[in-house]
Amino acid sequence: QVQLQESGPGLVDPSQTLSLTCTVSGGSMLSGDHYWTWIRHHPDKGLEWIGYIKASGSAYYNPSLRSRVTLSADPSKSQFSLNVHSVTAADTAIYYCARDGAFCTGDCQEDAFDIWGQGSLVTVTS
Amino acid sequence: DIQMTQSPSTLSASVGDRVTITCRASQNIRSWLAWYQLKPGKAPKLLLFKASSLDDEVPSRFSGSGSGTEFTLTISSLQPDDFATYFCQQYSGFPCSFGQGTTLELK
Repeated sequence: QVQLQESGPGLVDPSQTLSLTCTVSGGSMLSGDHYWTWIRHHPDKGLEWIGYIKASGSAYYNPSLRSRVTLSADPSKSQFSLNVHSVTAADTAIYYCARDGAFCTGDCQEDAFDIWGQGSLVTVTS
Repeated sequence: DIQMTQSPSTLSASVGDRVTITCRASQNIRSWLAWYQLKPGKAPKLLLFKASSLDDEVPSRFSGSGSGTEFTLTISSLQPDDFATYFCQQYSGFPCSFGQGTTLELK
């Protein structure tokens, strides 16, 4: 069974780059045609989809974050990564990696997520 | 972008109660709606997809209904493990979007 685990620094200085990695275990990133996804949960706010990347390297970003986010994937290491540039306190959140469950079977443009990591709290502070 | 509005934001209930959470979309999303359960320090859990389809190993006390712009998540008889935060998510349009969450707390 596929499992995901986030890793990376818990503290980031303002204006620097937040970097997280998600390690995939129990299966290959190359199996199926999945979207390897990042989502964050702000304190006292809802969840926000950041973007996703396919094993081929094609990436799609939330337009609200597109200018500051870079996703990458290394299927040979079973990892995909998130970089958020020029961070501020507003980027403080729990960051989750996730995988789509291929539930979009009709006229939908996105998908639901059936496998998630446990989350990584990142605090932006000096 | 499609906005998702959940209500209530907090719900106090007791073990054995039947509870309902509502999620409204700012435009027609057909049945492309999922529900998740979040607990601190744990991986979020998918409960339902396509508005009413139960994910694997999700107890049958959870059910979902609705289509278009209004949806509900119902827990028929609350169990101690159900006290958590619940989110809806639309995956009809790009980007996907989530509700603000409903925290289910013990009365």
